[in-house]
Amino acid sequence: SAVISQKPSRDICQRGTSLTIQCQVDSQVTMMFWYRQQPGQSLTLIATANQGSEATYESGFVIDKFPISRPNLTFSTLTVSNMSPEDSSIYLCSVRQVYTGELFFGEGSRLTVL
Amino acid sequence: DAKTTQPPSMDCAEGRAANLPCNHSTISGNEYVYWYRQIHSQGPQYIIHGLKNNETNEMASLIITEDRKSSTLILPHATLRDTAVYYCIVRVAEVTYGQNFVFGPGTRLSVLP
Repeated sequence: SAVISQKPSRDICQRGTSLTIQCQVDSQVTMMFWYRQQPGQSLTLIATANQGSEATYESGFVIDKFPISRPNLTFSTLTVSNMSPEDSSIYLCSVRQVYTGELFFGEGSRLTVL
Repeated sequence: DAKTTQPPSMDCAEGRAANLPCNHSTISGNEYVYWYRQIHSQGPQYIIHGLKNNETNEMASLIITEDRKSSTLILPHATLRDTAVYYCIVRVAEVTYGQNFVFGPGTRLSVLP
């Protein structure tokens, strides 16, 4: 299994500011993903973080709002830009094992926007 | 859209078996059934997955019907720490772009003392 660390674990931010969430994996992985979980809701995939190229975004999510970097096979960042209270959510980084197909998650970053 | 349906909530007495059902009537021949759970304020945790044979590990058992249109996750001796939201997901095992895990609302299991 992969060990995934996210920073920050939680933060309180002001409207209009931006926050970058970091995801570090203890081994090289091909596929990394970012999910959002709004209060009381299930998980929604934001994008697939591609190493060396632009992220692939799901419908309803755009690069200007959620820019993603993935400089290598063990690290990725998600930025939540120009935040509003509607962005208050848990943001989760996940990785997929190539051979078993299992998906592993970090503990999430709980963001509150005032 | 999620390709599975689960009851929104279930209760189970501590020490008893918890049987969580999942319907996946449109499952394809190469799609596996995966189960995850999310304990409050934590990231989802992988439990088990299977294709057509029943599977068992240290956490749970997975029973898949012969026609593969439904399955049941069994926690043999539920404890209070098993209180969580349980997600049933179907998808291919191969890692391919464009085919991602889709999480439905899941089943909120409450283990009662």
